[in-house]
Amino acid sequence: NAGVTQTPKFRILKIGQSMTLQCAQDMNHNYMYWYRQDPGMGLKLIYYSVGAGITDKGEVPNGYNVSRSTTEDFPLRLELAAPSQTSVYFCASSITPGQGLLSDQPQHFGDGTRLSIL
Amino acid sequence: LAKTTQPISMDSYEGQEVNITCSHNNIATNDYITWYQQFPSQGPRFIIQGYKTKVTNEVASLFIPADRKSSTLSLPRVSLSDTAVYYCLVGGGDDKIIFGKGTRLHILP
Repeated sequence: NAGVTQTPKFRILKIGQSMTLQCAQDMNHNYMYWYRQDPGMGLKLIYYSVGAGITDKGEVPNGYNVSRSTTEDFPLRLELAAPSQTSVYFCASSITPGQGLLSDQPQHFGDGTRLSIL
Repeated sequence: LAKTTQPISMDSYEGQEVNITCSHNNIATNDYITWYQQFPSQGPRFIIQGYKTKVTNEVASLFIPADRKSSTLSLPRVSLSDTAVYYCLVGGGDDKIIFGKGTRLHILP
């Protein structure tokens, strides 16, 4: 099973460029998440989606956009790349939480996209 | 806003039992406690989850006291491959998720 697949694994962008980080899952999970992890730090939630067509902001959404047109895919877009967005980006998915809370179901993570903005 | 506090780092030796404690004083009634393991250049991997008392699976045990203001992850008989960062996670209020900085566990031979 592939689980959660993220592409690309590495990317270098120039300031002001845009790009889309791809995320796909084959577990038929309704919930999907995007996180960023800065060096030596924990993960911070950027955006999440509870199903196709529905997205919501996390802790650090500024500078990013997401869409969820299918259950399988949850791309993250950077419109105007800035040095502060240099980070490792992780996508995750989970089954629908039983009590409607994000924290009550285990999340399955991809291996990340390492992004540098120069 | 729920927040977790864990030791920054811990060292142990192969074959020992390791206990990592997480403090979460503001845990909400509906919050679950989840622990993840992360190796370098990989995404976090789910270890164990619990709500109260004790939960055990094939890799770890999770102890949660009655007041739920803390939890302890117990790794029995660790090996070198258990060297990783361990994150304690509870709900972040307003249905958000808060990852702390984690505990960097270093297993020595």
